[in-house]
Amino acid sequence: DTGVSQNPRHKITKRGQNVTFRCDPISEHNRLYWYRQTLGQGPEFLTYFQNEAQLEKSRLLSDRFSAERPKGSFSTLEIQRTEQGDSAMYLCASSLIWGADTQYFGPGTRLTVL
Amino acid sequence: AQTVTQSQPEMSVQEAETVTLSCTYDTSESDYYLFWYKQPPSRQMILVIRQEAYKQQNATENRFSVNFQKAAKSFSLKISDSQLGDAAMYFCAYRIITGANSKLTFGKGITLSVRP
Repeated sequence: DTGVSQNPRHKITKRGQNVTFRCDPISEHNRLYWYRQTLGQGPEFLTYFQNEAQLEKSRLLSDRFSAERPKGSFSTLEIQRTEQGDSAMYLCASSLIWGADTQYFGPGTRLTVL
Repeated sequence: AQTVTQSQPEMSVQEAETVTLSCTYDTSESDYYLFWYKQPPSRQMILVIRQEAYKQQNATENRFSVNFQKAAKSFSLKISDSQLGDAAMYFCAYRIITGANSKLTFGKGITLSVRP
């Protein structure tokens, strides 16, 4: 078990470009979460999946953001027409459904929009 | 809406001493979990300790323990025998138990420095 992995670790893009991030959860974890963290702040919830189903989306997730988890394993988060305000660390976490449902986090993808 | 407040942005502790990090939360729910996560400079979030609200006994994990006061909605973290490796940002987080709502709500975090 190698934990939650995220790729790329860093992404620099120009305003208006599209970017896609990938998250590979801990194997056998049914739930997968995306959070966004800006400098000096705690993570803010964006969305989460239970298997393939996207069960909740934050109002922070504008129509430029889309997330998928097509086979209930890895997930992708796409941001279209990036804006400077999208610059942040994007964190992925996974958990089991049962028990305390403790979320285990990946290292994050740091996005810089120029 | 649930909120988590960490009013101390920074704290410092001498190596081998004890430090307490404060956290308060606001919720109308009766069943929930509370967590402390540590985020070292490498930025990967690590679970430190978890408390179920229905348990009266305070959780402990080696040098880490909590003081959970449900009526006061207070959840502080005590780190005993502080080590240099404890230097990090610490986040308090909350999650309700019931229903499909599984998201964590985090506070703004506390930066803990450890003096050798």
